[in-house]
Amino acid sequence: AQSVTQLDSHVSVSEGTPVLLRCNYSSSYSPSLFWYVQHPNKGLQLLLKYTSAATLVKGINGFEAEFKKSETSFHLTKPSAHMSDAAEYFCVVSAFYNQGGKLIFGQGTELSVKP
Amino acid sequence: ETGVTQSPTHLIKTRGQQVTLRCSSQSGHNTVSWYQQALGQGPQFIFQYYREEENGRGNFPPRFSGLQFPNYSSELNVNALELDDSALYLCASSLGTEEKLFFGSGTQLSVL
Repeated sequence: AQSVTQLDSHVSVSEGTPVLLRCNYSSSYSPSLFWYVQHPNKGLQLLLKYTSAATLVKGINGFEAEFKKSETSFHLTKPSAHMSDAAEYFCVVSAFYNQGGKLIFGQGTELSVKP
Repeated sequence: ETGVTQSPTHLIKTRGQQVTLRCSSQSGHNTVSWYQQALGQGPQFIFQYYREEENGRGNFPPRFSGLQFPNYSSELNVNALELDDSALYLCASSLGTEEKLFFGSGTQLSVL
């Protein structure tokens, strides 16, 4: 069965410093992995998607994630945090192979950015 | 803005009542997926509709049901509401089996 585990429920960084949000996955086949962001009172927005084309995936707003099969990890990074990055971030895996829309979400990591 | 609209934005019901939530998908999208997000949790997949047919269901009881209409808009119905049904309900639209979903802002349901 597919699953994801977000290793930190809350991460706090200072503006201008790097961001690292950690995610491990479990999958019985080559997975489709995603990172979504949720700002307060707003819907979920796709940051980036991994589907086996390249292990380093670049997303929107300067975020990127690296797929490491040997470590079953898909950590999200950003070189320099901005105040507007404060939000809830979800690591997500597709529930079934090649069946879009059926997603399994992690518990979320709340990112705080201090001035 | 994703083009996915949900109504109402907030709703208060009492235990045992029934509720209907609505979702208009993004233009051109024929697939709608519904998710329940309890406070402090990640969203959980309820079910998906593709071309007016249910196309997969998560671990939710039969009192959670849905419909998709010819214009691909969708409804989520919940009967015999329980306190634990209090959550943010999200719908997402997509095209066929594409994995990129476009989420609405959700309906916040409170069951008292």
